[in-house]
Amino acid sequence: GDSVTQMEGPVTLSEEACLTINCTYTATGYPSLFWYVQYPGEGLQLLLKATKADDKGSNKGFEATYRKETTSFHLEKGSVQVSDSAVYFCALSLLPGNTPLVFGKGTRLSVIA
Amino acid sequence: NAGVTQTPKFQVLKTGQSMTLQCAQDMNHNSMYWYRQDPGMGLRLIYYSASEGTTDKGEVPNGYNVSRLNKREFSLRLESAAPSQTSVYFCASSSSAGTGENEKLFFGSGTQLSVL
Repeated sequence: GDSVTQMEGPVTLSEEACLTINCTYTATGYPSLFWYVQYPGEGLQLLLKATKADDKGSNKGFEATYRKETTSFHLEKGSVQVSDSAVYFCALSLLPGNTPLVFGKGTRLSVIA
Repeated sequence: NAGVTQTPKFQVLKTGQSMTLQCAQDMNHNSMYWYRQDPGMGLRLIYYSASEGTTDKGEVPNGYNVSRLNKREFSLRLESAAPSQTSVYFCASSSSAGTGENEKLFFGSGTQLSVL
């Protein structure tokens, strides 16, 4: 079945360090890919998305590129801040229709000053 | 802007007790979902409702029932709670116009449930 595999956490970085969180997927069709973020005590919220190969999603300094050849959608940020501390989830959805999202297990990021 | 509202925020149950988690959205979304979040397991789909009047099982439906009361409300019921159902439960909703925008989920703030 369709699945998403994320790198294991937790990840601890110093402020202004570079971040990469790896995500690979397995899907029978051509999925849309997403990164969601969960701040402490809150529900998940969409961070960025990409709907076709070579698309780059970006938001709040984060970006991820849809790589069909490597079935990957790695999340990157050049300089993290303490406020980026959260749990990050990679997810996929197959179009069209109301297919529920399939989430990865999440990666906890802690950024220290 | 209320978005997705879940109640209660916290609940402690004894094994065998029943309860209903309530969820309501005010965004006129067609699709609604219940997920549970467990350490090391990420989010797992329990049930979803693609549109008013329909419900479907997700990855982990055993021990749960759902009701799509109307377009706004989607409740999750535990008939006989078990310690394995200790978790954080999230309700979510999305539009489903068939344009591809339905994948953006809006989440509630969660219900932390402990079953003793």
